[in-house]
Amino acid sequence: EVQLVESGGALVKPGGSLRLSCAGSGFSFSSYSMNWVRQAPGKGLEWVTSSSSTNNHIAYADSVKGRFTISRDNAQNSLFLQMDSLRAEDTAIYYCVRGNYGDYWGQGTLVTVSS
Amino acid sequence: EIVLTQSPDFQSVTPKEKVTLTCRASQGIGSSLHWYQQKPDQSPKLLIKYASQSISGVPSRFSGSGSGTDFTLTINSLEAEDAATYYCHQSSNFPYTFGQGTRLEIK
Repeated sequence: EVQLVESGGALVKPGGSLRLSCAGSGFSFSSYSMNWVRQAPGKGLEWVTSSSSTNNHIAYADSVKGRFTISRDNAQNSLFLQMDSLRAEDTAIYYCVRGNYGDYWGQGTLVTVSS
Repeated sequence: EIVLTQSPDFQSVTPKEKVTLTCRASQGIGSSLHWYQQKPDQSPKLLIKYASQSISGVPSRFSGSGSGTDFTLTINSLEAEDAATYYCHQSSNFPYTFGQGTRLEIK
């Protein structure tokens, strides 16, 4: 069974940093591109960043470029999101999503940026 | 950036009705358009990939069509459990984008 489990969400002050993790299981993690998608409270879905299967092709939304960094450890079946210089508008549930068309989503982890 | 515009924003329908939701892209994206269903407090669930390809485990009343800039998600014989918000998503060009969503209410 394919599973994606996010962790690392927390309450953090503006300007702070946070590192999210996503543990994948039940599939060949190294064969898939992976994504982070977020959803602010009561709002729609927003694509944040993607990493190709070997992490050599990476893309970011303009809203997070220069502040967020996606990485992965295929040996540990894990995806990461390093979030720096956090702003109030980064407050959201962050989902780990598999593949080009998002066939599997994690349950999400809540990031709250507030003083 | 490719903008996806969904219509309508909200629709109230009765069970057994047929519903058609639309998604329009600001430029051509071929068939790289996917549809998701999200119920309150749940993660989104993939319904249709690449505009018209069905997904294992998704009821056959859900179908998709379109290519280029205009896409539709059709739900035949609506059921009460279909009450949700539906999103389209393009993976043709970075930055990937989502439509703003269509909320479907069952009367």
